[in-house]
Amino acid sequence: SQTIHQWPATLVQPVGSPLSLECTVEGTSNPNLYWYRQAAGRGLQLLFYSVGIGQISSEVPQNLSASRPQDRQFILSSKKLLLSDSGFYLCAWSASGTGARELFFGEGSRLTVL
Amino acid sequence: KNQVEQSPQSLIILEGKNCTLQCNYTVSPFSNLRWYKQDTGRGPVSLTIMTFSENTKSNGRYTATLDADTKQSSLHITASQLSDSASYICVVSPFGNKLVFGAGTILRVKS
Repeated sequence: SQTIHQWPATLVQPVGSPLSLECTVEGTSNPNLYWYRQAAGRGLQLLFYSVGIGQISSEVPQNLSASRPQDRQFILSSKKLLLSDSGFYLCAWSASGTGARELFFGEGSRLTVL
Repeated sequence: KNQVEQSPQSLIILEGKNCTLQCNYTVSPFSNLRWYKQDTGRGPVSLTIMTFSENTKSNGRYTATLDADTKQSSLHITASQLSDSASYICVVSPFGNKLVFGAGTILRVKS
């Protein structure tokens, strides 16, 4: 069966420090991978998605970047965190292709920037 | 603009009671609609996925309905349990990879 792992679960970082959130998927090949951010009282916002190694699409201009160094690994990074980067970050995967593909989420990473 | 609006924002019900959550959308062209359950501090978990040709779909005590003409969906929870306390998120997909998320309805079931 497929599983998705995301870490760390929580972290508190000072403004201006770097960030690295990691996500890995097991039990499937060539998945579509996604990073979302969830703000309180608002819908999930898509930050990045990837359909293959090295292929990253950014949805909104921001202080973050994403990389996919391996087929089932997706990393969210920042060189210098801002207060506004605080939030709940979710990694997700779906099978490749089009159509009503189910989206599976990781457990999330709660980031607090002080 | 593609939007998904959910109502109510929050809801409190007694254990054992039924409830219905609403979702209205303006997404076009429409591909499919999903309902997710998200426990506090956890990732969302899929409850149902419906394409435009489906009117209803059930998953245990959860039943989702879809009216593609009026662009409305509802999620009905039967005989609620304390474990149903969560945020319920309606998600609509136009053709392609990008989903449009509602803000969610926070449900609290109390004994």
